[in-house]
Amino acid sequence: DTGVSQDPRHKITKRGQNVTFRCDPISEHNRLYWYRQTLGQGPEFLTYFQNEAQLEKSRLLSDRFSAERPKGSFSTLEIQRTEQGDSAMYLCASSPGGELFFGEGSRLTVL
Amino acid sequence: AQSVTQLGSHVSVSEGALVLLRCNYSSSVPPYLFWYVQYPNQGLQLLLKYTTGTTLVKGINGFEAEFKKSETSFHLTKPSAHMSDAAEYFCAVGDLQAGTALIFGKGTTLSVSS
Repeated sequence: DTGVSQDPRHKITKRGQNVTFRCDPISEHNRLYWYRQTLGQGPEFLTYFQNEAQLEKSRLLSDRFSAERPKGSFSTLEIQRTEQGDSAMYLCASSPGGELFFGEGSRLTVL
Repeated sequence: AQSVTQLGSHVSVSEGALVLLRCNYSSSVPPYLFWYVQYPNQGLQLLLKYTTGTTLVKGINGFEAEFKKSETSFHLTKPSAHMSDAAEYFCAVGDLQAGTALIFGKGTTLSVSS
């Protein structure tokens, strides 16, 4: 399968713990996007990379959220000191420039 | 800034009936417009997109959408609904070539009854 891969698919954690999600994009795509989706809402843009450069991060929800793409390949999204309001689906998408290709998402539940 | 409004969070049709999902956009620059579909427990999949040129865009699974600049609309239609069309549909606006992210609407859930 050469699509966008996200890991883990499901994560249950306790409030206050840190969590990290990984995204492996389609190999030839240089752009990578993170979105958050809550129940009944559309995907909400968080941040975006072109190769290893993070070009937009002002939409990250708070300073507890950070993302990296160290070698321009896979990316990680970390949430520190999780809160119950962080419970959501975290979506990764990659793009060659014309459209987004989404992974199946990582569902976070914060207890 | 760009934004999208999807009218109707839930649309119900009978199998074989016309499907019409509404999307209005706001954009200060010529918009690139997209419709994505999301089936349960799956990622979003592109149905169709409008960039420039022909305003009536055909997509997968028999769906099409028409860009109407005067109405700032990009409604999604399908002449005859099938049970397998039941899903959540998202309209989005953005210019990925220029480096902006896609901005999505809140989505419309389509139910199809037999």
